[in-house]
Amino acid sequence: EPEVTQTPSHQVTQMGQEVILRCVPISNHLYFYWYRQILGQKVEFLVSFYNNEISEKSEIFDDQFSVERPDGSNFTLKIRSTKLEDSAMYFCASSRTENVEAFFGQGTRLTVV
Amino acid sequence: DAKTTQPPSMDCAEGRAANLPCNHSTISGNEYVYWYRQIHSQGPQYIIHGLKNNETNEMASLIITEDRKSSTLILPHATLRDTAVYYCIVRVVGSNSGYALNFGKGTSLLVTP
Repeated sequence: EPEVTQTPSHQVTQMGQEVILRCVPISNHLYFYWYRQILGQKVEFLVSFYNNEISEKSEIFDDQFSVERPDGSNFTLKIRSTKLEDSAMYFCASSRTENVEAFFGQGTRLTVV
Repeated sequence: DAKTTQPPSMDCAEGRAANLPCNHSTISGNEYVYWYRQIHSQGPQYIIHGLKNNETNEMASLIITEDRKSSTLILPHATLRDTAVYYCIVRVVGSNSGYALNFGKGTSLLVTP
């Protein structure tokens, strides 16, 4: 069964450093998403991406965040200068269209120290 | 998107049907009801969705009341692996604005032996 894969599974970074979280969406999917979940809290939408541009973003997704689809398979989330409060599980998801179910990856646990 | 109300937790005996309710009294005509679940901090997993008719797939059944103000997710024969947080989400489909899923707190289902 096709799946969304995320790497790394766990990343530790120092405050102020840049991090890039990587995702390989399902190959015939056209819509891509990032969500995050701070420990013990609910899953929060960050951004959706379609046709090489952001289609929707939340207020969490400020100038510190950016997304990119650098080639035909990867989808990345960059955090420019990490803060302690960026520590969370980050989930990538993809869907074939916007009207069908999204498939989520297993997440990258980001720890900012 | 309309808000949903779910009980914070429920128990179910293994092998019995688990019936998870969701109230969405302010749902509008073009909003679908989606159910996802999250097993112990893994990525959310799509279960089922519907507009007004009852739906069934290999995982579950979705019963939507005639006035669409509430719904019930039914896991016909719960197993220990169904222990998870279940999220009921309502969302406009076809908005052409991405796929932001508004995860609330969900219902924590514990399936016991």
